Amino acid sequence: DAKTTQPPSMDCAEGRAANLPCNHSTISGNEYVYWYRQIHSQGPQYIIHGLKNNETNEMASLIITEDRKSSTLILPHATLRDTAVYYCTVYGNKLVFGAGTILRVKS
Amino acid sequence: GAGVSQSPSNKVTEKGKDVELRCDPISGHTALYWYRQRLGQGLEFLIYFQGNSAPDKSGLPSDRFSAERTGESVSTLTIQRTQQEDSAVYLCASSLAGPYGYTFGSGTRLTVV
Repeated sequence: DAKTTQPPSMDCAEGRAANLPCNHSTISGNEYVYWYRQIHSQGPQYIIHGLKNNETNEMASLIITEDRKSSTLILPHATLRDTAVYYCTVYGNKLVFGAGTILRVKS
Repeated sequence: GAGVSQSPSNKVTEKGKDVELRCDPISGHTALYWYRQRLGQGLEFLIYFQGNSAPDKSGLPSDRFSAERTGESVSTLTIQRTQQEDSAVYLCASSLAGPYGYTFGSGTRLTVV
C-alpha cells in the first residue's frame, strides 16, 4: 500500500475554500485515492475518492494530478463544522491511514 | 440497520482480563475492517475480512488479539490478558467489495485499569 504525506495542520477562514494537499508519489496504477475526515470523538467519515479523473460530490472536490503523485481536496466554502482531521489514503485492498491534516476553520 | 453498530460503546476492564468487542456491519457489506486509535493518534489497521476469503491479519499487534467473523455478518474482536497499552478506541468499518467508501461505526472506547 502506497504511503501518503500531508501537512500536519492548516487554518482556513470561514466561508473561504479550504485546499488540503496530499502527496502519494508511490501510488500504483490501480490504487484509488480516498479522503476521510474525523471530527473529535467520532468515527471517520468518508468524503470522496478517485482514480484518475477529478471528482466532485456534495461535500467536496478532488483534484488528482495527471501523474497521480499528488492530489488536493477542496472544500469550496468551509464552515466551522468542517474543523476536523482530514485523512488522505490510498486504497490497494485496504485503507492505511497516516497522521492526517488538522484543519481549523476560524470565524 | 442503517449504519455500522458497535458494542459496547465504552468498556472499562482490569488489566489481565479478556474483552470482546462486537461489530454489526451494514447488511450486504462483504468487507469488514477493524482499526485501533490511541488517544491523539491516527488509525492503526488491525484486521480485514472479505467474504469467505482468509482474513488479512497483518495489523494485529500480538497473539493476544484475535477476530472472527461469521459469514458476512457480525464480527468479534477479542483481546486476551489486556494490558494498559491496549487502551484505545476500537473502530469497525464495513464496505461493499472493491473500491467503495468505508462506513465506520462510532467505536468502542476501551480503558484498561
